Amino acid sequence: AQTVTQSQPEMSVQEAETVTLSCTYDTSENNYYLFWYKQPPSRQMILVIRQEAYKQQNATENRFSVNFQKAAKSFSLKISDSQLGDTAMYFCAFRSNNDMRFGAGTRLTVKP
Amino acid sequence: GAVVSQHPSWVICKSGTSVKIECRSLDFQATTMFWYRQFPKQSLMLMATSNEGSKATYEQGVEKDKFLINHASLTLSTLTVTSAHPEDSSFYICSAKPTGGNQPQHFGDGTRLSIL
Repeated sequence: AQTVTQSQPEMSVQEAETVTLSCTYDTSENNYYLFWYKQPPSRQMILVIRQEAYKQQNATENRFSVNFQKAAKSFSLKISDSQLGDTAMYFCAFRSNNDMRFGAGTRLTVKP
Repeated sequence: GAVVSQHPSWVICKSGTSVKIECRSLDFQATTMFWYRQFPKQSLMLMATSNEGSKATYEQGVEKDKFLINHASLTLSTLTVTSAHPEDSSFYICSAKPTGGNQPQHFGDGTRLSIL
């Protein structure tokens, strides 16, 4: 069974600084996808970034980038130039075929 | 593009009532949709995978007679909470996976269910 672990229940960062959220996963699959979702207080699930396991290059979306270490089964999210609007819950997710699992989440607070 | 509409967004009803939640993919077809439950300050827990034209696949511990899922078309899945009780109060979120390829799931905005 696939499991996703986020070991940081809460994180905080000063506005304009950089923060990294950790995520590890466990799977025996070789083909899978990894995602980071943001859930603000409105509780919408917003896709931040995705990574295909077969791609070695780390995904990047503007201020968001990942450090994907397949051998270590690690998938961390780096947020650069943090903004107040980045304050939210962040969930790491793993998908193989139609099986998608979420981590417990990290509550990120960006301080002015 | 890739919008998923979930309705209603908030419902309050008496214990014993059955509540239906709709999940629609507005601009794409979705052979597969998913239903999640989220308790306060917790993660999303997959309840069931809904497949168009066939029976849903329920996760272990989820009562299929309690949470009825129907996926009658490529753009609509419904979750009916039958004879709801206060312990069924929660936030329910659906997502839809576009048919074909390996595109990411798109989430609805969720339904806050409160059973009095």
